[in-house]
Amino acid sequence: GVTQSPTHLIKTRGQQVTLRCSSQSGHNTVSWYQQALGQGPQFIFQYYREEENGRGNFPPRFSGLQFPNDSSELNVNALELDDSALYLCASSSTTGRGAYNEQFFGPGTRLTVL
Amino acid sequence: SQELEQSPQSLIVQEGKNLTINCTSSKTLYGLYWYKQKYGEGLIFLMMLQKGGEEKSHEKITAKLDEKKQQSSLHITASQPSHAGIYLCGADSAGGFKTIFGAGTRLFVKA
Repeated sequence: GVTQSPTHLIKTRGQQVTLRCSSQSGHNTVSWYQQALGQGPQFIFQYYREEENGRGNFPPRFSGLQFPNDSSELNVNALELDDSALYLCASSSTTGRGAYNEQFFGPGTRLTVL
Repeated sequence: SQELEQSPQSLIVQEGKNLTINCTSSKTLYGLYWYKQKYGEGLIFLMMLQKGGEEKSHEKITAKLDEKKQQSSLHITASQPSHAGIYLCGADSAGGFKTIFGAGTRLFVKA
């Protein structure tokens, strides 16, 4: 399955954070989502074969990397209080309009910014 | 941009009762997904609907897609405490590279 680390994280405003995700074996696409309390997940960006394939309405201080070994990272610089949320990664094996896009989600990383 | 509206926002039902959750899109749907989330955890895929009129079932959960109304409904029959959680609908964006989610429906089942 999809795993994420760490489970929980507490940072202070202005700091930088790296969240990690290990995709399901064989999946070439990973997407990251931010889920604020009481809201649905919001799309941050997607990586397909190690390149950014699409991006949501998030500032450049949110960046990512995808590695050939089924792992990926989400980096957030200059943390703000509003960045406190559950961060979810999801892996899938296809991209593109109309394609079957079942995503397998990890358990998430709960980030708290003080 | 496309938005998904779910109703109701929360629901409390007695064990054994049936219930329905609705998801309405502001734009044309290119695939509609239903996920379940336990509080503070990841999403569990329930089912995907692609064609108008399509209906799928998984155990006691049935989902239907009305393409003309840009709407999907999720129906749970004879609810159990294990059905409690947050139900999220998601839809492919027109570009196909991202999934847009509704805000979720919080289901509580009283034993």
